[in-house]
Amino acid sequence: DVKVTQSSRYLVKRTGEKVFLECVQDMDHENMFWYRQDPGLGLRLIYFSYDVKMKEKGDIPEGYSVSREKKERFSLILESASTNQTSMYLCVSGWGVGQPQHFGDGTRLSIL
Amino acid sequence: DAKTTQPPSMDCAEGRAANLPCNHSTISGNEYVYWYRQIHSQGPQYIIHGLKNNETNEMASLIITEDRKSSTLILPHATLRDTAVYYCIVRPSGNTPLVFGKGTRLSVIA
Repeated sequence: DVKVTQSSRYLVKRTGEKVFLECVQDMDHENMFWYRQDPGLGLRLIYFSYDVKMKEKGDIPEGYSVSREKKERFSLILESASTNQTSMYLCVSGWGVGQPQHFGDGTRLSIL
Repeated sequence: DAKTTQPPSMDCAEGRAANLPCNHSTISGNEYVYWYRQIHSQGPQYIIHGLKNNETNEMASLIITEDRKSSTLILPHATLRDTAVYYCIVRPSGNTPLVFGKGTRLSVIA
């Protein structure tokens, strides 16, 4: 079974902190993605990566950055957390070419 | 923007087949149809995908019309644990990210 592991299920941070969300997959997938999910807004793409040290902006990259130093790990960074970044964050990994993408269980992040 | 249209909600009696429709009238020749579901407070779960032919796995069946403009996900014997939001997604065969619409909220009723 594919395993996409997000480091925390629940996280509480303060405004202005630098926050790291970690995601690890064990299937040697090339593609990894970060989404956030908010009530009424659905799932929105933040950043994605097709290879090590490669990154692409999604639909809502402002206030975020990412790091992919190793193939299996894709980190989402909130440079200076704000209350409007309180959300559920979902990591996804998979192959391309007509193959499914697999989700982690999500990190519910609260910024106070 | 999502390229699919789904009903916002559906009910199904426990033990009956749940048939979830999806319209994707602008689908291109190289685009696959994917189905995911999301149970409350969990990450979306992959169910099934297909290009032209009907597909079946241990979870569900996917029926794609001959013109590929619509499809139906079938859960043959729905249980209470199948209550979830079901997303139908059209995605090219390359590396493009999944684009989610609002999905269908399926309620399985005892």
